[in-house]
Amino acid sequence: TQLLEQSPQFLSIQEGENLTVYCNSSSVFSSLQWYRQEPGEGPVLLVTVVTGGEVKKLKRLTFQFGDARKDSSLHITAAQPGDTGLYLCAGANDYKLSFGAGTTVTVRA
Amino acid sequence: DAGITQSPRHKVTETGTPVTLRCHQTENHRYMYWYRQDPGHGLRLIHYSYGVKDTDKGEVSDGYSVSRSKTEDFLLTLESATSSQTSVYFCAISKVGGAGSDSPLHFGNGTRLTVT
Repeated sequence: TQLLEQSPQFLSIQEGENLTVYCNSSSVFSSLQWYRQEPGEGPVLLVTVVTGGEVKKLKRLTFQFGDARKDSSLHITAAQPGDTGLYLCAGANDYKLSFGAGTTVTVRA
Repeated sequence: DAGITQSPRHKVTETGTPVTLRCHQTENHRYMYWYRQDPGHGLRLIHYSYGVKDTDKGEVSDGYSVSRSKTEDFLLTLESATSSQTSVYFCAISKVGGAGSDSPLHFGNGTRLTVT
């Protein structure tokens, strides 16, 4: 059983469209991280959110941590082909990270 | 790029044979981790280390052992490989255990292991 549930599992959109990826859990986390992974490489950290209700923006990416620190979302505005990849959320507890299964995002030119 | 090297990058082995994967870091980070990545399961923690000779089990540790005799090296051993251990294995490092705003995980580029 996955501790963190990500939805949707797959997302295919046209360049310029917006998208949102969700990460949900019944557990409370001290912090939550989002990673992006490209084929043949390891995941790379995008952002860490640590405070309930926190919103962080990185250019066209907006990350939100739920008030209860159990869920998070990633919103991409005006997606570009370079945003294509596997997006993973990971929740921190007891000095370990638990990962969601990931959302594969494909942005078509 | 964080200095993490995994070797080998690809390996094919037969059921029942022992296999050792190596992770080498040049960052002098205290914490090192081994994850496996499978479709539909994401990344699952196998074992981790919080210092030289200090290791602990993760959520999927059965059939795996680890050793850390030096800060820079973390070895993962499959004592007797099985087909269910076919996977992509990632090593990761961090300054501080778990996560915080100043301690992300830095991953290597993975080892693709196929057990036939």
